[in-house]
Amino acid sequence: NFMLTQPHSVSESPGKTVTISCTRSSGSIASNYVQWYQQRPGSAPTTVIYEDNQRPSGVPDRFSGSIDSSSNSASLTISGLKTEDEADYYCQSYDSSNWVFGGGTKLTVL
Amino acid sequence: EVQLVESGGGLVQPGGSLRLSCAASGFTFSSYWMSWVRQAPGKGLEWVANIKQDGSEKYYVDSVKGRFTISRDNAKNSLYLQMNSLRAEDTAVYYCAGSPVRGVIIYWGQGTLVTVSS
Repeated sequence: NFMLTQPHSVSESPGKTVTISCTRSSGSIASNYVQWYQQRPGSAPTTVIYEDNQRPSGVPDRFSGSIDSSSNSASLTISGLKTEDEADYYCQSYDSSNWVFGGGTKLTVL
Repeated sequence: EVQLVESGGGLVQPGGSLRLSCAASGFTFSSYWMSWVRQAPGKGLEWVANIKQDGSEKYYVDSVKGRFTISRDNAKNSLYLQMNSLRAEDTAVYYCAGSPVRGVIIYWGQGTLVTVSS
């Protein structure tokens, strides 16, 4: 089984851009799609990025995803930060028999 | 509007059993992989189990193998999780989730709380 490692927390000011990383421990990051989920306090998760860089309908284009094979990592970038973006963000991927979540990153917008 | 509504959570003693249900609407349930994902209090998300569209493939996280069983009824647009031999570490909010392709969650339910305690 592989692991996905995220920074525990990040913070940035409103209007700025923040990037959250997600590093895969073994196997290629490009071998299986990476998803990103947002979880606001007290709420269920919602999907903000799927299949590496696709946005579900209703998710603003301020959210973007990418993968980097050289660092074996995925990234979630949020531009034009708003206070409503303050939440926990989880990356997720899978292999032949397991689905794996990263430990989550707490984004503070201050 | 897509809805996933979980039910069946509650307080159960260690060693006991519980059956969770998830009622789906607003999308073609029979075309989706379905999963259970849990979140222990103050912790991150953990995948528990998933099931293929026709029920022919089922996968479980190691910690629940042999104790939990995932199933579905496409005629009733419903997903289930039978949980036996429950342990304190199974205490969590359990979310139902839908995936149009394997590995990619698009839809989430609101969750149901399972508490295992004496």
